[in-house]
Amino acid sequence: GQNIDQPTEMTATEGAIVQINCTYQTSGFNGLFWYQQHAGEAPTFLSYNVLDGLEEKGRFSSFLSRSKGYSYLLLKELQMKDSASYLCAVRLFSGGYNKLIFGAGTRLAVHP
Amino acid sequence: DTEVTQTPKHLVMGMTNKKSLKCEQHMGHRAMYWYKQKAKKPPELMFVYSYEKLSINESVPSRFSPECPNSSLLNLHLHALQPEDSALYLCASSQDALAGQSEQYFGPGTRLTVT
Repeated sequence: GQNIDQPTEMTATEGAIVQINCTYQTSGFNGLFWYQQHAGEAPTFLSYNVLDGLEEKGRFSSFLSRSKGYSYLLLKELQMKDSASYLCAVRLFSGGYNKLIFGAGTRLAVHP
Repeated sequence: DTEVTQTPKHLVMGMTNKKSLKCEQHMGHRAMYWYKQKAKKPPELMFVYSYEKLSINESVPSRFSPECPNSSLLNLHLHALQPEDSALYLCASSQDALAGQSEQYFGPGTRLTVT
């Protein structure tokens, strides 16, 4: 089976840094994505890792270690609008096609 | 244009009704997806279309019937649904389903309530 684990909830203070971890045990790994989802809205793409290491995009960075089955999303200079769910998704190559399997998501609350 | 549009935004239907959800993208993407998302749960993949052909069906009940009339459009036909099918139905598209970074772009979803 496929297993993706993330913390259920996190809280942080405006202006601070927060790290959201994701561990996975899957077959056919073909990349890892992070999405942001505000309540009642569609997920929006944040970052993508397929090779080990750090990818930086403005205030957001994502790290991947394939040997450890581990990724994290780092959010810097937190803003109130960053309060949302953050979904870790593993892309699997299955039956000749890619598909995404999502973790349960981490609900982040940013406080003043 | 990185937009995926979905209609309707909200839908209430009885268990004997037949309705359709529609999804459209004009990014030239050749892969399109249907997901189901229950409250406070992650999206669950239902179907994948690649180059207008159904590529993946995640053992979805036959009361859900997908259709891809052309590369820009994706429909989901609904018939004889159950109350437990009430959820947010998300459409997504990506450049292709075969290779590359190819992140998925999601539409705003249709919130379906089955009464």
